[in-house]
Amino acid sequence: DQQVKQNSPSLSVQEGRISILNCDYTNSMFDYFLWYKKYPAEGPTFLISISSIKDKNEDGRFTVFLNKSAKHLSLHIVPSQPGDSAVYFCAASMTGTASKLTFGTGTRLQVTL
Amino acid sequence: GAVVSQHPSRVICKSGTSVKIECRSLDFQATTMFWYRQFPKKSLMLMATSNEGSKATYEQGVEKDKFLINHASLTLSTLTVTSAHPEDSSFYICSARDERGPYEQYFGPGTRLTVT
Repeated sequence: DQQVKQNSPSLSVQEGRISILNCDYTNSMFDYFLWYKKYPAEGPTFLISISSIKDKNEDGRFTVFLNKSAKHLSLHIVPSQPGDSAVYFCAASMTGTASKLTFGTGTRLQVTL
Repeated sequence: GAVVSQHPSRVICKSGTSVKIECRSLDFQATTMFWYRQFPKKSLMLMATSNEGSKATYEQGVEKDKFLINHASLTLSTLTVTSAHPEDSSFYICSARDERGPYEQYFGPGTRLTVT
């Protein structure tokens, strides 16, 4: 039962353009969402997070949008840079679960020159 | 940012032997650490939650007698894969929860285990 889904396994974007990565979830109890970036054979790196009381959080080139009614969140990266090429995972957590994260399946982003 | 280390980064062992993987939070204390497993081209699967000073909490389907977890201090958790078999070959990743943030977890670099 995949409670967090990333339906696009891969995405290719030109350098300088916007990258939009999408994530859907099914469990309405999730109240905190995070995005991680991962290179092969390395652990994930925390990028940005958002609480369910907000619908947007911005940090530099990264912005996360949350649509609770649609159970959908997205990560926008603008402008995209070649160094952004990696696998991006969204993750969700809920209050009272000792911060257990449920991860999506990941989207491989390739930023081309 | 917070730093979490894992050791070893890569290990090859023979079937039937046990392997210990260490996870350390280097610049913060972590009462809670997590152990994940990642299969090729798959998502990270939470195996267990490691709690300092108490027993680990295992996810459904994870054998606690096979994957022994010890969280002896606020900066160290260990995962021991006992009587390893080839199907245990995987990428194991730990994370530590930074008490300064509600849900942020910082991940170690992972350990590639190959059982021959």
